[in-house]
Amino acid sequence: SYELTQPPSVSVSPGQTAYISCSGHKLGEKYASWYQQRPGQSPVLIIYQDRKRPSGIPERFSGTNSGNTATLTISETQAMDEADYYCQTWDDSTYVDGSIYVFGTGTKVTVL
Amino acid sequence: QVQLQESGPGVVKPSETLSLTCSVSGDSIPSHDWNWIRQPPGGGLEWIGHISYSGNTQYNSSLKRRVTISIDRSKKQFSLKLTSVTAADTAVYYCARRDDYFFDYWGQGTLVTVSS
Repeated sequence: SYELTQPPSVSVSPGQTAYISCSGHKLGEKYASWYQQRPGQSPVLIIYQDRKRPSGIPERFSGTNSGNTATLTISETQAMDEADYYCQTWDDSTYVDGSIYVFGTGTKVTVL
Repeated sequence: QVQLQESGPGVVKPSETLSLTCSVSGDSIPSHDWNWIRQPPGGGLEWIGHISYSGNTQYNSSLKRRVTISIDRSKKQFSLKLTSVTAADTAVYYCARRDDYFFDYWGQGTLVTVSS
C-alpha cells in the first residue's frame, strides 16, 4: 500500500520559517494536499494541487512537490500556526480497488 | 456555505455495527463525492471510503470487508456502517466532501467509542 511519511515534529520560533516534508514514492507525479488541524478541531484544507491555497488561507502557507517529496512552508510563523499538519494524496496502483486516498503520518508544529 | 454534520451513537459494543449519518447542507450532492475519514485518539487520519451521487462506492482495502457506505439523495444524507467493531475502531469519525483529489469541507467529527 502507498505510504506518506512526515517528521513527527517541527519546532520554529515566531517570525521564522517552518518546513514540513512529506515523502512518498514518486509523489511528485501526483497532487499533494495539506491540512491543518488545531487541537480538538476538524482538519482544514490549506494547500491543494501541490501549491494552491483555498480562499481565506494566508499567503504565508505555500507548497511544492517534486520527486518523492512534497513540502509545506510556513513563512513568518505565528503562534496560531501551532497545530498538526497532514499531507495527503491518492494512489491508483491497486487497480482493482481504484483510487484510494492516503494521508501522511502527521507533523506537530510547535511555535516556541 | 457548505456544512456537514455527523450523527450517531457515541458508544458501540464490541462485535456490533457502528452506524453514522452525515447530513449535507448548502451544496448540491450530485456535484461531488462524499467521504468518511476517521482518526483514533492521538493518531492520524485514515480514509475509510466514499460514495458518489450515483451510488458508486470505493473503500479502503483495509476495511473493505466490514464497510458499507450508502446515500439518501432525498434527505441529502450519506451513511456509514462498520460491522464487527473492536476497540481498534474507536475514533473520531469525520464526513467530508471531496473535490478532485482533496477534501475541502469537513464535518465537526463525532467520537465513537467501542466499549462494553
